Amino acid sequence: NAGVTQTPKFQVLKTGQSMTLQCAQDMNHNSMYWYRQDPGMGLRLIYYSASEGTTDKGEVPNGYNVSRLNKREFSLRLESAAPSQTSVYFCASSLTGQGYEQYFGPGTRLTVT
Amino acid sequence: SQQGEEDPQALSIQEGENATMNCSYKTSINNLQWYRQNSGRGLVHLILIRSNEREKHSGRLRVTLDTSKKSSSLLITASRAADTASYFCATDAVFLGTGNQFYFGTGTSLTVIP
Repeated sequence: NAGVTQTPKFQVLKTGQSMTLQCAQDMNHNSMYWYRQDPGMGLRLIYYSASEGTTDKGEVPNGYNVSRLNKREFSLRLESAAPSQTSVYFCASSLTGQGYEQYFGPGTRLTVT
Repeated sequence: SQQGEEDPQALSIQEGENATMNCSYKTSINNLQWYRQNSGRGLVHLILIRSNEREKHSGRLRVTLDTSKKSSSLLITASRAADTASYFCATDAVFLGTGNQFYFGTGTSLTVIP
């Protein structure tokens, strides 16, 4: 099992460019999440998906869109990147319900210049 | 924000010593989890404690939860250099439909000196 995989590992964008971060999991989890991690801020939830076909906003959704393509895949799109979106992005998945641990991908380090 | 706060922000100890880090949060919770993050990696789950539990052990880890003070502590006994990492607490206070939303703290950076 690969667990949670993310692509790309690194990306540099110019302000205004767009890109999609890809995430896939092979653990048959219903719930998937996108977080961003900034120094001194911990992890902040951008969007999550409790099941295929559903998505909900987290703490910091502005400037992002998501797609739950199927049970395995959950993508994050930046339509018009801004320097404030420079961050490390993590995808995670879990079983649905209370008390389940989240499994994290290795992260995507994004720099917007 | 529900976001937890870990204390201290950074901790440096000698190998073999115990490390204690604390987490405080703002609202009622269902569960509290601790995660570890090695430099440049994703987070890895360590232990979960439910709101009706006061203490839990897993190997060299001991977690306590005080819901009246809205705080938790993580104790790592007999630390090793390999324990060097950042440690985060996470609370799932909001249960939206069939999903659950996690709030992570800001983390404690632990350095264990060989």
